[in-house]
Formats: sequence, C-alpha cells, structure tokens
Amino acid sequence: AQSVAQPEDQVNVAEGNPLTVKCTYSVSGNPYLFWYVQYPNRGLQFLLKYITGDNLVKGSYGFEAEFNKSQTSFHLKKPSALVSDSALYFCAVRDMWGDYKLSFGAGTTVTVRA
Amino acid sequence: EPEVTQTPSHQVTQMGQEVILRCVPISNHLYFYWYRQILGQKVEFLVSFYNNEISEKSEIFDDQFSVERPDGSNFTLKIRSTKLEDSAMYFCASTPPVNEKLFFGSGTQLSVL
Repeated sequence: AQSVAQPEDQVNVAEGNPLTVKCTYSVSGNPYLFWYVQYPNRGLQFLLKYITGDNLVKGSYGFEAEFNKSQTSFHLKKPSALVSDSALYFCAVRDMWGDYKLSFGAGTTVTVRA
Repeated sequence: EPEVTQTPSHQVTQMGQEVILRCVPISNHLYFYWYRQILGQKVEFLVSFYNNEISEKSEIFDDQFSVERPDGSNFTLKIRSTKLEDSAMYFCASTPPVNEKLFFGSGTQLSVL
C-alpha cells in the first residue's frame, strides 16, 4: 500500500519569504515522488518529481523539493514566494515497481500575501 | 506542450441519470486514468486503463462505473445511475510508456442534484 500525508491544510507566508510545504510518504518499495499544483478552476499541473539520484530536485517556477529517505519526507520549498504561488499543492507517491497509479495527499492551500 | 482535454467542463444531472465524461488523452500516450476530487477532499484514484482493458481499479469504481476507449482517440468514463455522492471534479490523466509523470486534464465538474 502507498500513501501520502500533508500535515498542514494551509500555509500562509508573506511575499519574498521562504515557502515550505510538508509531505511525508509511505510505500512498500522505492518511492517515486511528485508535486502537483492546482490553480482555481484548473487541472493538476506537474511541478517536479523525484525518481532517483540527487536528493534535491529542482522543478518549475523556482520550486525545489528535498527527498529524505530516513524521514520518509519530500518537502516542497521555494526560497522567495510570490503572490502568484497562491494555489493548492498536492504531494503524490507511487511505488517504483507498480503501474503509474499515484496516491495523493489531501493537499495544502498556500496563500502568499503581498 | 500537448494537453489532455476534457469535455464538458461542467455537467449537471439528476440523480439516477447516466452521464458520460469525455477525455482526449495526448496522442502518443498509452496509459490512461480517471481520478476524482470531492470538494475539499483529496484526489482519489478511480481506474487505470492500458491496452484496451482496465489494469487496476479502486473500490470506488463499482459496477455503476465503466470506461471505454471507443475509437483510439477518446477515453470515456460512464456512470450508469448517478448518486448524490458522485458529485465531484473528475480528472482524466495519461502517460506515455517511459515517463513517470502523469499529464492531467482540467477536469469535469459533475453536480448530481
């Protein structure tokens, strides 16, 4: 079985401040980890993924995420948040040996205030 | 960048009616999925489809649900007799065989009255 937990329903930050969105995962084998973002009335847009290699993964729009195997975490980060980063963020996981079915977290609403 | 397209964007139906949600996956993709998101809840897997058959389905995907790829282009989700609790945003997704990333459509908001 595979699952994801996003412990925070909401994250509020001021523009220009660092942004962190937390994610922990559970999977029986090696994980493939993803972050997706959802803007109002839009579908899920891919931000970044971790498959293998460097634990720090860089993605779209200046986002990055750090894979930590010992803590089973994959936190999303951005050094300097923008108002336009306000959206709903989903972490997702799948087992490396499974099909492409993803298990999603409940989502974290990010609000960046000007 | 190529996109997964879904129609309609909104669908309102009466309880007990049949609905068909339509998706056009990206043309060279081989794996297809339906997910749904009930308002305020997480995105949930419904079904995956490969090589013209269901490869996996969740417990949500009961006998009232079916999927079809009728013409090699469209990928449809049918709900035979809708219930109030079927009200949700339904997302179609696809992926090529050697890419781990799912490409999602913008969703169909289904409202069952």
